[in-house]
Amino acid sequence: KAGVTQTPRYLIKTRGQQVTLSCSPISGHRSVSWYQQTPGQGLQFLFEYFSETQRNKGNFPGRFSGRQFSNSRSEMNVSTLELGDSALYLCASRQGIGIDEQFFGPGTRLTVL
Amino acid sequence: SQQGEEDPQALSIQEGENATMNCSYKTSINNLQWYRQNSGRGLVHLILIRSNEREKHSGRLRVTLDTSKKSSSLLITASRAADTASYFCATDAGGFKTIFGAGTRLFVKA
Repeated sequence: KAGVTQTPRYLIKTRGQQVTLSCSPISGHRSVSWYQQTPGQGLQFLFEYFSETQRNKGNFPGRFSGRQFSNSRSEMNVSTLELGDSALYLCASRQGIGIDEQFFGPGTRLTVL
Repeated sequence: SQQGEEDPQALSIQEGENATMNCSYKTSINNLQWYRQNSGRGLVHLILIRSNEREKHSGRLRVTLDTSKKSSSLLITASRAADTASYFCATDAGGFKTIFGAGTRLFVKA
């Protein structure tokens, strides 16, 4: 099976712009989670989707949003980018709810100038 | 603050030595997982231990879980230079939220 894929791998944006990141889960996995990783804050949970519904959300402002499509692919969007949004954004998929291990994609490195 | 806190923050050892990393958490959990991350890349799942398990092995990895102390440890035996990475514990307290600790950076010198 192909692993979790994320596109793009690298992205450079300027303050005020918006960005959309994409994640394709492992075939058959219905849950997709998003994480932000920065040197200062570490790995922080953004949100998780299951069957096209957001099931949980971390403590991020409303500028961070996401969605999941019927084929389980997911996108996250960040509007009005700030310098502090520069981070590695990781997507993870798992088969179902709760106890399954997560499989991570390689991440999208976002730099905001 | 984060659910899982790793200790130490950084660890430097010689190849062939054992490396032990600890993780403490705050609330009741369903399971605890350990992940490895090579510099700036995605995380790789190492091992999952459920709340009713006390010890688990996978190759050179040994994980223990003490729910009474809300702590877990990851032991890597006979370390190799390729084990150099950051190691994270993650707790799943139910629902859809997995909380990661700050990680331990392991350096294995050849």
